[in-house]
Amino acid sequence: GAVVSQHPSRVICKSGTSVKIECRSLDFQATTMFWYRQFPKQSLMLMATSNEGSKATYEQGVEKDKFLINHASLTLSTLTVTSAHPEDSSFYICSARDPSGGALEQFFGPGTRLTVL
Amino acid sequence: AQSVTQLGSHVSVSEGALVLLRCNYSSSVPPYLFWYVQYPNQGLQLLLKYTSAATLVKGINGFEAEFKKSETSFHLTKPSAHMSDAAEYFCAVNINQAGTALIFGKGTTLSVSS
Repeated sequence: GAVVSQHPSRVICKSGTSVKIECRSLDFQATTMFWYRQFPKQSLMLMATSNEGSKATYEQGVEKDKFLINHASLTLSTLTVTSAHPEDSSFYICSARDPSGGALEQFFGPGTRLTVL
Repeated sequence: AQSVTQLGSHVSVSEGALVLLRCNYSSSVPPYLFWYVQYPNQGLQLLLKYTSAATLVKGINGFEAEFKKSETSFHLTKPSAHMSDAAEYFCAVNINQAGTALIFGKGTTLSVSS
């Protein structure tokens, strides 16, 4: 199946700093990517839908100024957590749909563990 | 709007016993349904998917699920549990519309004892 990578896999930062997480589709072009957030022992909550060449669509309750999403190419979407605080510590997972797949399956990255001190 | 309900946040079985993880969905249009497994500190792995073909879907690692429209269910089963099956399982729903994301249930933790 298609492969989605994320970088970094783990990041620790100080409160008030910004952190950028990259999501790449390695062997297919993804016009749409999705960003999820997962708290310990909880489900994945959709944060936003990232559209190549246009603004991201954020879910209700997600601060767009805090979680900046850029989808500059068909294989790369980035999530920047600005002015991070300890409550932003979480597991962030991206996914992408391979439009040529025809099965509506989303391929998930391995996730990024963010810890804000 | 679509939603998924997973009954039972924690299921415990003995090795060799039947595994049954429950999932009910709500959708105003024909749904596409998925089961994913997640091991600690890892991403999601697709177990199986229903995309309007056969209602009984076979997946990896001996898992299967049956789509029952009348019951709005998509329960996951495995005849004989292995220790390696212990993980978090998520049921998810999507619709055939470009740009839509998977919506996940709250997850079920499967524990397998020897």
